[in-house]
Amino acid sequence: GAVVSQHPSRVICKSGTSVKIECRSLDFQATTMFWYRQFPKQSLMLMATSNEGSKATYEQGVEKDKFLINHASLTLSTLTVTSAHPEDSSFYICSAPVRDFPYEQYFGPGTRLTVT
Amino acid sequence: QKEVEQDPGPLSVPEGAIVSLNCTYSNSAFQYFMWYRQYSRKGPELLMYTYSSGNKEDGRFTAQVDKSSKYISLFIRDSQPSDSATYLCAMSTGNTGKLIFGQGTTLQVKP
Repeated sequence: GAVVSQHPSRVICKSGTSVKIECRSLDFQATTMFWYRQFPKQSLMLMATSNEGSKATYEQGVEKDKFLINHASLTLSTLTVTSAHPEDSSFYICSAPVRDFPYEQYFGPGTRLTVT
Repeated sequence: QKEVEQDPGPLSVPEGAIVSLNCTYSNSAFQYFMWYRQYSRKGPELLMYTYSSGNKEDGRFTAQVDKSSKYISLFIRDSQPSDSATYLCAMSTGNTGKLIFGQGTTLQVKP
């Protein structure tokens, strides 16, 4: 299957700082990527759709000014958590669909964010 | 009511047992149905996907979709301890790629 990487795998930051998480498709190009958030023992909640060359589309209830998304190229999307608070602590996962098969998605390994 | 319902378990079975995992959904527009496996602190791994109703088999895994009942299943034959993980169902209406996930069922296969 296709490979998606995320960096960093774990990050600890202080309240009020910003954190950037990278998502890369390693062996295929992705015009669209998705960002999810997962709380312990809960499902993945879609936060936003990242579109290469245009603005991201955010799900209802997700603050776009807090979770900045940039899809810089066909293999890279970044999620920046701005002015982080302890309640932003979570597991963030990105996914990328194989072109022409948008329902066949491959997920990154996730980033564990802890805000102190 | 959630769009996709999945019993979180946990489900514990002996090695070699047949495992049945299920999801129900409310949105009749869902056309694509996926099963993902997630190990602790890892990203989900795509196991199988099915379009519309019917069955699909891949090795020890069989996925079934019954759109009339809005019910999907994943069967695991000859379960192994390495199958111990959380299994997530996911669904999509079409070409947007947006997936709606169930809560996930935690499975433990005991040697």
